[in-house]
Amino acid sequence: QKEVEQDPGPLSVPEGAIVSLNCTYSNSAFQYFMWYRQYSRKGPELLMYTYSSGNKEDGRFTAQVDKSSKYISLFIRDSQPSDSATYLCAMSVETLVRGGYSTLTFGKGTMLLVSP
Amino acid sequence: DTAVSQTPKYLVTQMGNDKSIKCEQNLGHDTMYWYKQDSKKFLKIMFSYNNKELIINETVPNRFSPKSPDKAHLNLHINSLELGDSAVYFCASSQERGSSYNEQFFGPGTRLTVL
Repeated sequence: QKEVEQDPGPLSVPEGAIVSLNCTYSNSAFQYFMWYRQYSRKGPELLMYTYSSGNKEDGRFTAQVDKSSKYISLFIRDSQPSDSATYLCAMSVETLVRGGYSTLTFGKGTMLLVSP
Repeated sequence: DTAVSQTPKYLVTQMGNDKSIKCEQNLGHDTMYWYKQDSKKFLKIMFSYNNKELIINETVPNRFSPKSPDKAHLNLHINSLELGDSAVYFCASSQERGSSYNEQFFGPGTRLTVL
């Protein structure tokens, strides 16, 4: 079993729909939870990050973390065609070298297609 | 201005060849990384350098040798290329803040195809 599981999709929705993207994980040592967005043939870019359990909202995007269930979600409200991309969840465990560095463990990514 | 840049963008080569990929960041970060993204889009860390010193090496074959001439550059040299090395290689950088979260900024990727 991989450390982070994510449904690869593709997930196709019409413009304006609410999108729910999810990841599960097995390593309870993960402390930070991130969502990266990757457009085709581009590098990933950080969309949101959260620490510990709870919700975080940024515009149309809401990130949720449930550490007891080892489950994280990203909700996109009023989805737009420009949201079409691959969304990768990522998690970090502090690497106990030289005061700590984050090692990101990624999910496989979910491809989202928002049609006009 | 590009924050993290990589060259070349595309690399097509024959099995057995040796090739290098270069990465530069102008963000003033002190930590740089190499990731490999396979055909199934799975992104996996290979190496991490902090101030020119290797701090993470994730069981990568020793045909892969990273080199950091200064903290703004991290190059990746690959010897005796194999078919399974075909992937997109991403460079990233972050600023150490002494906590477990450091936002990583990714380059545009180098698409390597081994024939």
